[in-house]
Amino acid sequence: GDSVTQMEGPVTLSEEAFLTINCTYTATGYPSLFWYVQYPGEGLQLLLKATKADDKGSNKGFEATYRKETTSFHLEKGSVQVSDSAVYFCALFNTGGFKTIFGAGTRLFVKA
Amino acid sequence: NAGVTQTPKFQVLKTGQSMTLQCAQDMNHNSMYWYRQDPGMGLRLIYYSASEGTTDKGEVPNGYNVSRLNKREFSLRLESAAPSQTSVYFCASSGGGSGAYNEQFFGPGTRLTVL
Repeated sequence: GDSVTQMEGPVTLSEEAFLTINCTYTATGYPSLFWYVQYPGEGLQLLLKATKADDKGSNKGFEATYRKETTSFHLEKGSVQVSDSAVYFCALFNTGGFKTIFGAGTRLFVKA
Repeated sequence: NAGVTQTPKFQVLKTGQSMTLQCAQDMNHNSMYWYRQDPGMGLRLIYYSASEGTTDKGEVPNGYNVSRLNKREFSLRLESAAPSQTSVYFCASSGGGSGAYNEQFFGPGTRLTVL
């Protein structure tokens, strides 16, 4: 079945550091890919998405490119802020189904 | 436009008690979902409703029941709560349709403790 694997956390960075959170997936067909973010005490919210190969999703300085050849969708940000501290979830949705498959989540701590 | 709302926000139960978690969405979405989130376990799907009038089991349905009351509302019931059901419960909705990319919109969660 479909699955998502993302790097284990926690990831601890200093403010203004470069962020990469790795995400790879296994799926048949052509799934849509997402990054969701969960701030403390809140529900998940969509950060960015990509619906086909080579698409780049971007939002709030975060970017991820849908790489079908490597089945990856790594999240990057050039300069993190303390306010980016949160849990990040990689996810996929495959056409023909009704369920979104989530990765286990990666907790990010950013120190001032 | 409130999005997805959940009640209650917090609840403490004793083992064996029952309760219903309520969820409503005002985005005219077809699909609704219930997840639980436990430390180190990510999100696990309990039940979902692809459209009004249908419900299906997710990966961890045991000990739960659901009702899709109408297009807006999707409730989760614990008939006889157990300490293993201590968790944070999230309701979500999406536009639905198997051909859509299906962004999910989440509620703020219910934090449940079973003693």
